[in-house]
Amino acid sequence: DGGITQSPKYLFRKEGQNVTLSCEQNLNHDAMYWYRQDPGQGLRLIYYSQIVNDFQKGDIAEGYSVSREKKESFPLTVTSAQKNPTAFYLCASSTDRPGMNTEAFFGQGTRLTVV
Amino acid sequence: AQSVSQHNHHVILSEAASLELGCNYSYGGTVNLFWYVQYPGQHLQLLLKYFSGDPLVKGIKGFEAEFIKSKFSFNLRKPSVQWSDTAEYFCAVTYTGGFKTIFGAGTRLFVKA
Repeated sequence: DGGITQSPKYLFRKEGQNVTLSCEQNLNHDAMYWYRQDPGQGLRLIYYSQIVNDFQKGDIAEGYSVSREKKESFPLTVTSAQKNPTAFYLCASSTDRPGMNTEAFFGQGTRLTVV
Repeated sequence: AQSVSQHNHHVILSEAASLELGCNYSYGGTVNLFWYVQYPGQHLQLLLKYFSGDPLVKGIKGFEAEFIKSKFSFNLRKPSVQWSDTAEYFCAVTYTGGFKTIFGAGTRLFVKA
């Protein structure tokens, strides 16, 4: 089945450590996104990528980094510089071709807790 | 800046009551509009979408939304809610020429049985 796979589902990190969240899609979508979901704040865009080897900062990129070496993969690293990393992280993908359905498809999320 | 506003953060209704959730987006040209739903413990899924044509859009589970261009609005409606509609609802927009999806803050709906 086509879809987006995020792993792990739950992740615990010690303060001062970097941690990487995985996101893989087999929908042949060009665009991929990372969102952070906090109660009462909706989904805030961290980074997005339109094509391989290119990505752009979203609204809350500080303390995060990404890479896009393959079309299917868009891993997110939460660095020690992120001051409040405990959150639910959602990865999404969509096509970005003009005139086509730009509906975003979401993974099941990773809940990161800093201990 | 492009943005989406959802008018209510929390809504509590009794079963069979009618539902309307407000959504407004900032001007930015031609838009694609979406409502997503997140049921407890589940991932986000698409409820309905508007791209062009009839401004009254019907989605799954009896939901519908109306695009009013002059008001920059895309309100979600359901004539009679059920307990199983308890979820968080997100309005979202994509501006033509861009592709990133911008989300509202979400509305938590609780339906009392």
